[in-house]
Amino acid sequence: QKEVEQDPGPLSVPEGAIVSLNCTYSNSAFQYFMWYRQYSRKGPELLMYTYSSGNKEDGRFTAQVDKSSKYISLFIRDSQPSDSATYLCAMSVIYNFNKFYFGSGTKLNVKP
Amino acid sequence: DAGITQSPRHKVTETGTPVTLRCHQTENHRYMYWYRQDPGHGLRLIHYSYGVKDTDKGEVSDGYSVSRSKTEDFLLTLESATSSQTSVYFCAISEREFYREEDGYTFGSGTRLTVV
Repeated sequence: QKEVEQDPGPLSVPEGAIVSLNCTYSNSAFQYFMWYRQYSRKGPELLMYTYSSGNKEDGRFTAQVDKSSKYISLFIRDSQPSDSATYLCAMSVIYNFNKFYFGSGTKLNVKP
Repeated sequence: DAGITQSPRHKVTETGTPVTLRCHQTENHRYMYWYRQDPGHGLRLIHYSYGVKDTDKGEVSDGYSVSRSKTEDFLLTLESATSSQTSVYFCAISEREFYREEDGYTFGSGTRLTVV
């Protein structure tokens, strides 16, 4: 069983829609969670970081962690065509960079 | 990507040949990492370095070796390339080992390697 599971999509939505991207995980000890955005033919870039449970908001993006369900989400409000990318989740028990487990990514397409 | 350059960007090589990929950084960061990205598997850590000549294995290190003789350069070598090593390889850098909220963890643009 993989440590982190993520639906590969693709997820196609109209511009302005609210997008929900999700990851599930098996290790209940994970407590550091990240979301990365990866444009085609580019490296991933850090979008959001959360520690433990709860919500965190940054502009149009909200990261949510539900440790009881071992489930994390990234919500994008008022989605734009420029949000079209692959979104990767990553998580870790401890906050060493070399200990993070990545999901396989969900491809998002926002149509104008 | 600012501060980190991978070369080559694309490479096609034959099975059994050695291949070296280069990661060069201008940020003077201590930590450097090599990942591979494959459909359905996400990013998996191959090797990482925590200083000049200091390296350690990651999750999928078999068939790979690394070297870091200078702070700015981290080389990944496929000793005898196999078709299973066809992948996109990413280098990443970080200033610290332990993450702080204001930190970045910068990835390069990747090297697309095909082993035929």
